[in-house]
Amino acid sequence: GENVEQHPSTLSVQEGDSAVIKCTYSDSASNYFPWYKQELGKRPQLIIDIRSNVGEKKDQRIAVTLNKTAKHFSLHITETQPEDSAVYFCAAWYSGGGADGLTFGKGTHLIIQP
Amino acid sequence: DTGVSQDPRHKITKRGQNVTFRCDPISEHNRLYWYRQTLGQGPEFLTYFQNEAQLEKSRLLSDRFSAERPKGSFSTLEIQRTEQGDSAMYLCASSSGGTVHSGNTIYFGEGSWLTVV
Repeated sequence: GENVEQHPSTLSVQEGDSAVIKCTYSDSASNYFPWYKQELGKRPQLIIDIRSNVGEKKDQRIAVTLNKTAKHFSLHITETQPEDSAVYFCAAWYSGGGADGLTFGKGTHLIIQP
Repeated sequence: DTGVSQDPRHKITKRGQNVTFRCDPISEHNRLYWYRQTLGQGPEFLTYFQNEAQLEKSRLLSDRFSAERPKGSFSTLEIQRTEQGDSAMYLCASSSGGTVHSGNTIYFGEGSWLTVV
């Protein structure tokens, strides 16, 4: 099955600075990589995703890069704001045994210092 | 609200009791997933339905757990003889199916918190 590693587990940055969260995956057949933001007690919410036929995708202050050869992908948040504070999860879509789904990393707690 | 809805949102139960959670997916979605999330961890896959067919079950889903989706719409997750280790948030999610390259995206409900005392 798929295994997703996520680093760091906690990231503290000054407001206005950039934050980068990195993930690696094990199954080279995985082809879809979403990022979810989860605030305390709330549902994971999709913030950006990337598919294996694309190397980079950007949406305002958020960007994701994918290196299929190295099997890693990263989330970049620029000009961080207090409302960016949350737990961020990366995930990789796997297919196998007639079924498919997402395997998640353990999460990164992003803290934006005022 | 046309998102994924779950009920109840919170459940406190005594060890040994049975509990059941319900999930109503986004109406046009034919795929439905159950995940479990404990504090400080990412969601862990439990099981997955395409329409009414349960296509995959995780090893996390012991024989005390059962999930159904009888008419291919809402789903229930039942936990029998609950144990303290079952305390977690149970997340339901749905997607429209098709292939990943066709735009498949998974949307989560707000979750059902279970506390076993």
